[in-house]
Amino acid sequence: QVQLVESGGGVVQPGRSLTLSCTTSGFTFSSYGIHWVRQAPGKGLEWVAGIWHDGSKEIYAESVKGRLTISRDNAKNTVFLQMNSLRVDDTAVYFCARDSGGVGGIMGPDIWGQGTPLTVSS
Amino acid sequence: DIVMTQSPLSLPVTPGEPASIACRSSQSLLHGDGYNYLYWYLQKPGQSPQLLIYVGTHRAPGVPDRFSGSGSGTDFTLKINRVEAEDVGVYYCMQGLQTPLTFGQGTKVEIK
Repeated sequence: QVQLVESGGGVVQPGRSLTLSCTTSGFTFSSYGIHWVRQAPGKGLEWVAGIWHDGSKEIYAESVKGRLTISRDNAKNTVFLQMNSLRVDDTAVYFCARDSGGVGGIMGPDIWGQGTPLTVSS
Repeated sequence: DIVMTQSPLSLPVTPGEPASIACRSSQSLLHGDGYNYLYWYLQKPGQSPQLLIYVGTHRAPGVPDRFSGSGSGTDFTLKINRVEAEDVGVYYCMQGLQTPLTFGQGTKVEIK
């Protein structure tokens, strides 16, 4: 079955860097876009970044542009989220999710991972 | 950015009774292909979100038929025909028409 498994979260100090990974299985990875969506403690969902199925285009929320970079390795069925200059307000559970649009472009997530928690604190 | 507004934000429900959640977008979500790029998700306690409805009215695979989506343009509704105890959680609408993708604030559904 379709699975997405996030890893790489933890506790990190403000200003430091961290990379999250999203390892997938059960579908043709290279045919789907992937999103990162985060959820701060007790809050709602916030879309963070997305990448096209072939890696040709990346899109970001304004709140993370310039600090976060999404990338993918289609040979390893894995998406990454490089996070630099981390801030306290980046504290959240980070979910990766498959896009429902296939090669047609970014539309909206269908299948979600279980999330990886990140705490940014001194 | 497209702003998504849900109502109500809290919804106490009685099992067996119907329930509905409204979602309004600040811009029309109707694409030239005829689809409204509006999605509904349910996040059950302690779980990740799960897709219920895509492009406004289509139930995702495995979603019970007591869930239905309706609406077009800027006004959408998620209806639960007869609420069951397992339907508790937070429901989110989300627009997929343009980036950044944006979510509503969430509607918390709980049993009375």
